[in-house]
Amino acid sequence: NAGVTQTPKFRVLKTGQSMTLLCAQDMNHEYMYWYRQDPGMGLRLIHYSVGEGTTAKGEVPDGYNVSRLKKQNFLLGLESAAPSQTSVYFCASSPGGALDYEQYFGPGTRLTVT
Amino acid sequence: AQKVTQAQTEISVVEKEDVTLDCVYETRDTTYYLFWYKQPPSGELVFLIRRNSFDEQNEISGRYSWNFQKSTSSFNFTITASQVVDSAVYFCALSDGGKLIFGQGTTLQVKP
Repeated sequence: NAGVTQTPKFRVLKTGQSMTLLCAQDMNHEYMYWYRQDPGMGLRLIHYSVGEGTTAKGEVPDGYNVSRLKKQNFLLGLESAAPSQTSVYFCASSPGGALDYEQYFGPGTRLTVT
Repeated sequence: AQKVTQAQTEISVVEKEDVTLDCVYETRDTTYYLFWYKQPPSGELVFLIRRNSFDEQNEISGRYSWNFQKSTSSFNFTITASQVVDSAVYFCALSDGGKLIFGQGTTLQVKP
């Protein structure tokens, strides 16, 4: 099993450009999450999904959109990138919610917006 | 509001020293879970432990031990006889419904 994979691993964008980050999991997990990690701020939840076709906002959703068309994939989109979105992005998945299960993380995507 | 505080931003120890990483949390929930994750220099996040709010027994796993005290809302993590491979960022997290709230992280540097 590959677990949780993220594509791409690195990306540099110019302000205003758009891109999509792909997260894939092969563990048949229901829940998927997108976080961003910034120095001194830990991980902050951007959006999450509790099942195929569902999405919900997390702590810092502005400037991002997500889609969960297939159970194994969770896409994070930046429509018009801003320097404030320079960060490391992590995807995670779990069989259920945090009251029952730990989350499994992908390797991260380092995004720089110039 | 749900909150996790890791007051120690960075800790530096010499190999074989014991080190404790502090985690203090705030929650309105009566049932909740606490977690610790490790992020080594390679960048991935590794799950270490999950503990529910009804189980205040300390847990030991090899050189790692966790002390959960509901009275002080703390879930501290101790590494005994630290090793260079323990150098990493350590995150404490709290369940918030189906989600996790992370602390700011503590960077541990273990010097040979």
